[in-house]
Amino acid sequence: DAKTTQPTSMDCAEGRAANLPCNHSTISGNEYVYWYRQIHSQGPQYIIHGLKNNETNEMASLIITEDRKSSTLILPHATLRDTAVYYCIVFNAGGTSYGKLTFGQGTILTVHP
Amino acid sequence: EAQVTQNPRYLITVTGKKLTVTCSQNMNHEYMSWYRQDPGLGLRQIYYSMNVEVTDKGDVPEGYKVSRKEKRNFPLILESPSPNQTSLYFCASRAFSYNEQFFGPGTRLTVL
Repeated sequence: DAKTTQPTSMDCAEGRAANLPCNHSTISGNEYVYWYRQIHSQGPQYIIHGLKNNETNEMASLIITEDRKSSTLILPHATLRDTAVYYCIVFNAGGTSYGKLTFGQGTILTVHP
Repeated sequence: EAQVTQNPRYLITVTGKKLTVTCSQNMNHEYMSWYRQDPGLGLRQIYYSMNVEVTDKGDVPEGYKVSRKEKRNFPLILESPSPNQTSLYFCASRAFSYNEQFFGPGTRLTVL
């Protein structure tokens, strides 16, 4: 699976949009971009995933560049409960690493009042 | 409620005393796996199972055993725990037809 690069930490004001970037310049054509987050030491929580097109769900939006070498996770109205470590993962759901998520160090997002 | 449960949530034990951490999911998922999380090392996969009676090693299987006799359960067994197995453990499951992986709440294990 392709490697990802994320900033170590970011800050965001409550109520503002949080934009978390991820670089995955070596992504291959059949690899998806997944985002998970981990609050304190709880189990990681799935947020969103995409292949080529931008995606939106009730939690967030995912913007993937046309060349697929980078993406941005957007939390439109961050709250204090969104303070967490956010992981960007590139994953081939049907490949030989089926099921194994390779977590990097992620981005520590701190939402402040 | 769809969920993955783990027990115990916290455990302090001594070197060499066999222990089992249970994992159960109620979503009829085929795939289940165990991860451990250590500071600076992220989450690393220990074992996984593609279905009943089908298990395989992940990246860090040494010192662990698993079994998958029923679809819903995937216990993690430490036959002779050592202090380097002190860690935070997560069980996870997913369906083959769906990309989201569900994680349990974690088990914090301390081996003295």
